[in-house]
Amino acid sequence: EAQVTQNPRYLITVTGKKLTVTCSQNMNHEYMSWYRQDPGLGLRQIYYSMNVEVTDKGDVPEGYKVSRKEKRNFPLILESPSPNQTSLYFCASTQGGSYNEQFFGPGTRLTVL
Amino acid sequence: GQQLNQSPQSMFIQEGEDVSMNCTSSSIFNTWLWYKQDPGEGPVLLIALYKAGELTSNGRLTAQFGITRKDSFLNISASIPSDVGIYFCAGQPENTGNQFYFGTGTSLTVIP
Repeated sequence: EAQVTQNPRYLITVTGKKLTVTCSQNMNHEYMSWYRQDPGLGLRQIYYSMNVEVTDKGDVPEGYKVSRKEKRNFPLILESPSPNQTSLYFCASTQGGSYNEQFFGPGTRLTVL
Repeated sequence: GQQLNQSPQSMFIQEGEDVSMNCTSSSIFNTWLWYKQDPGEGPVLLIALYKAGELTSNGRLTAQFGITRKDSFLNISASIPSDVGIYFCAGQPENTGNQFYFGTGTSLTVIP
């Protein structure tokens, strides 16, 4: 089944404790993205990647890092999480080329205390 | 960053009624996408639009890519209770790689 998976689905952590949220897609898509979703603000793009070893900042990259060492994986790293990073996070992948449909993962709800 | 203006913010309608929502942007977009999100889940793609003026249907849903390339609308005909959810538009501006911008969503409630 074609899908985007994220882990963990739920995470409660404390300020300053490094964490990684994993994202994997099995559709051989070129492009992958991370978004955060906050009430009243909709979905905002954090980072995106157009291919292996190619990443770029989205709208709200501060406090986040990403890496794209393999085509299928695109982890989101919070080196020193803060309470304002409490949010619902979504990973998405896109085939690229003429097809720009983005497919989303199920989401990771992160709480930083 | 850019944000799309999506309206209305919320709608309460009777089952069987038609629904219309739209998104506008200050920039020209190459792609418009419409998504539905149910509570606790990720957005699910409903319709993708790639050309100005394009009109595309998916069952009871119809979406159009505005001819100015700065707007799009989504219509749902003969609404049913399972149409309840939040609908988002998303757009990709010209020459931005894989950068997408999302509307703030339209919350739809269907009263049986």
